[in-house]
Amino acid sequence: DSGVTQTPKHLITATGQRVTLRCSPRSGDLSVYWYQQSLDQGLQFLIQYYNGEERAKGNILERFSAQQFPDLHSELNLSSLELGDSALYFCASSGRRVSGVNEQFFGPGTRLTVL
Amino acid sequence: GIQVEQSPPDLILQEGANSTLRCNFSDSVNNLQWFHQNPWGQLINLFYIPSGTKQNGRLSATTVATERYSLLYISSSQTTDSGVYFCAVERFQGAAGNKLTFGGGTRVLVKP
Repeated sequence: DSGVTQTPKHLITATGQRVTLRCSPRSGDLSVYWYQQSLDQGLQFLIQYYNGEERAKGNILERFSAQQFPDLHSELNLSSLELGDSALYFCASSGRRVSGVNEQFFGPGTRLTVL
Repeated sequence: GIQVEQSPPDLILQEGANSTLRCNFSDSVNNLQWFHQNPWGQLINLFYIPSGTKQNGRLSATTVATERYSLLYISSSQTTDSGVYFCAVERFQGAAGNKLTFGGGTRVLVKP
């Protein structure tokens, strides 16, 4: 168990819909990352938040957005869903205050299926 | 951006065999991690190894940062070692963030 939790584990929805994925980082970690794993694109970085602020952005679609709340949990919002958005979405966290090591730990993922 | 290549793409092993997985990267990095993705999709941390050698049970890893490669060794493989092994690197970007760039993975199947 990495200490990173994600809900829900599975999500099945229809094209055009909007969903929210939730992530709680490891205790003490200030950074949260979102990654997408699809069959054709592999594992890709979407976005990073550090202590509530956006820190880095990858190839995240404009239909996707994220935020990190004061309690450090994060949500990834996916809207106007398309078939190609079906993927495994991972959250990761890093950056415990007492350590300079930036090892990232991954949650179990949310498997999104768009029908 | 930085490129990460893993080889071989696929590996079939007989239980008890040893193997070496390789990760090449195109630029200097400040973080390198090895992960095992099990058949249920979970990404398990194996090593945080930007340089040097580490061992954990039957697994060990070596990163030669100056030559831009890392190796993961699996000894006395077991069926539970099956899955996909990923190498991921982070290139220092300061305030610009800490994203990991993943290689394409090595799919390992250990047969009993």
